[in-house]
Amino acid sequence: KQEVTQIPAALSVPEGENLVLNCSFTDSAIYNLQWFRQDPGKGLTSLLLIQSSQREQTSGRLNASLDKSSGRSTLYIAASQPGDSATYLCAVWATPLVFGKGTRLSVIA
Amino acid sequence: DTAVSQTPKYLVTQMGNDKSIKCEQNLGHDTMYWYKQDSKKFLKIMFSYNNKELIINETVPNRFSPKSPDKAHLNLHINSLELGDSAVYFCASSQRQTGILNGYTFGSGTRLTVV
Repeated sequence: KQEVTQIPAALSVPEGENLVLNCSFTDSAIYNLQWFRQDPGKGLTSLLLIQSSQREQTSGRLNASLDKSSGRSTLYIAASQPGDSATYLCAVWATPLVFGKGTRLSVIA
Repeated sequence: DTAVSQTPKYLVTQMGNDKSIKCEQNLGHDTMYWYKQDSKKFLKIMFSYNNKELIINETVPNRFSPKSPDKAHLNLHINSLELGDSAVYFCASSQRQTGILNGYTFGSGTRLTVV
């Protein structure tokens, strides 16, 4: 059964730092991997989608990589801002979408 | 234009009541899902429908009954509500064939509080 783990569970950084969020999954037979952002009391916003044949995707200051063979993905956030504070969720699509427990990020001004 | 919309956004009800949550998507997707986010913020699949057919039914109490009148709608009916049902329920949709290209789209959630 697919399990998704996200490390760290929480992270607090000063504004301007570059940071990396980690995601690992137990079964490499996935269709794609999707990173979401969830603000407190809000829904999920899709950030990046990496298909199983791809190795990375970029959107603005965000870059996500995927290494299927090792069961890992990373989300890189460049030049962090207070507005980046949220919970970041990694989810792998192995029918259905299986989520990690998230990384709660706080960016301090 | 809201892609996946859920109603109501908030629901407070007493134990033992029966309630429904509605979900609609205007993306033309053929697959819809219900996820539950517990107090620890963990999201877990409950049900999935593809073209009105139930394809995933996780170990959810049978007090929960999903209904899909058409592929754009997936409702969740809950009987005899219990305190432990308090959670945020998210509806989502994807296109089963091309979903690998487009991913999932989530609604904004329904916060259910059972008192």
